[in-house]
Amino acid sequence: GESVGLHLPTLSVQEGDNSIINCAYSNSASDYFIWYKQESGKGPQFIIDIRSNMDKRQGQRVTVLLNKTVKHLSLQIAATQPGDSAVYFCAERGGGSYIPTFGRGTSLIVHP
Amino acid sequence: GAGVSQSPRYKVAKRGQDVALRCDPISGHVSLFWYQQALGQGPEFLTYFQNEAQLDKSGLPSDRFFAERPEGSVSTLKIQRTQQEDSAVYLCASSLAPGELFFGEGSRLTVL
Repeated sequence: GESVGLHLPTLSVQEGDNSIINCAYSNSASDYFIWYKQESGKGPQFIIDIRSNMDKRQGQRVTVLLNKTVKHLSLQIAATQPGDSAVYFCAERGGGSYIPTFGRGTSLIVHP
Repeated sequence: GAGVSQSPRYKVAKRGQDVALRCDPISGHVSLFWYQQALGQGPEFLTYFQNEAQLDKSGLPSDRFFAERPEGSVSTLKIQRTQQEDSAVYLCASSLAPGELFFGEGSRLTVL
């Protein structure tokens, strides 16, 4: 069935490096994508979103890239900091639904 | 409060007991979502309200799960005759309009 998934379950980086977290989706009707950060014991926190009519969107230290041809989404974090350590989820929405569907998540570990 | 508030934060129930989980959304937020998050997994959709109307309950895993939002603000998720497989974090999120979801910190349910 339609699903959202992640390639890498765990990513370890050194402080100051750039991080790239990937996500694949299979629902061709998806038109809105969101990245969430979830710290231990907390709820997911919105980071950045992108609509399907765009292929890149930048925020503060974060960039989301969307490749609709291969149904791939990535989150780039510049100058990764220990405070970025968390689980990152991509979520998608589409086909007229208001309900985001989440992928499994990638755990980002930042070593000082 | 400024954010979505959930209570209790932690609940331990014996198998067969009924539990009720409360969500106070951000004031004025029309949309309210319940998700279930098992350990190491992404949030799984349970149900969605727009004001007091439950527009989608397709994610509720069984008829033991029931949610309500009688006045279009506070919502309660009730689980009857709890089973061990119900152990999870139950997340509530609200949004002003289709778009960014604001999550609470979740209610962690452990069924013994």
